[in-house]
Amino acid sequence: QVQLVESGGGLVKPGGSLRLSCAASGFTFRDYYMSWIRQAPGKGLEWVSHLSFSGNTVSHADSVKGRFTISRDNAKNSLYLQMNSLRAEDTAVYYCARRHLSHDYWGQGTLVTVSS
Amino acid sequence: EIVLTQSPGTLSLSPGERATLSCRASQSVSSSYLAWYQQKPGQAPRLLIYGASTRATAIPDRFSGSGSGSDFTLTISRLEPEDFAVYYCQQYDSSPRTFGQGTKVEI
Repeated sequence: QVQLVESGGGLVKPGGSLRLSCAASGFTFRDYYMSWIRQAPGKGLEWVSHLSFSGNTVSHADSVKGRFTISRDNAKNSLYLQMNSLRAEDTAVYYCARRHLSHDYWGQGTLVTVSS
Repeated sequence: EIVLTQSPGTLSLSPGERATLSCRASQSVSSSYLAWYQQKPGQAPRLLIYGASTRATAIPDRFSGSGSGSDFTLTISRLEPEDFAVYYCQQYDSSPRTFGQGTKVEI
């Protein structure tokens, strides 16, 4: 069965960096676009980034452009999100999701808290 | 950017009743690239409907989606206790792939 497991979240100070990972299994990872989507505490869903099968085509929300970088390693069936210059407003649960039929499978999320 | 507005914000109903949720787009969503998700507290969203009206795998037939252009509807024909949750619509016609703000279905 399809599984997506995020890791790497935690508490970080404003201006700091964090790298999130998402381990995929149960499907042919290289055949799918993948996305990161976040949800601030008590708020709605916000698309963050997505990238193509090989990682050649990427897109980021304006709110994270220039600070976050999405990448993937198809040999390791893994998706990543490098987050730099973090701000308080980046505090959220970050989900990785398979981009098919909109987003058909989601991980359970990893919490990122940006606070001094 | 396509803005999605969901209404109502909260829907208070009883088990067995019918729920009708609305999602209105600021511009036309072509090819009905509109999805609906269900999210329960502490859980990830679950895809219910894609292509405006196609149920995702293992979704009960009491869930149905309709609409086109700028107006879309999610209907739950008879609410079961496990259906009380927050529902989001999302358009995947253009980037950024925006979500509505959600509708909470509560008892």
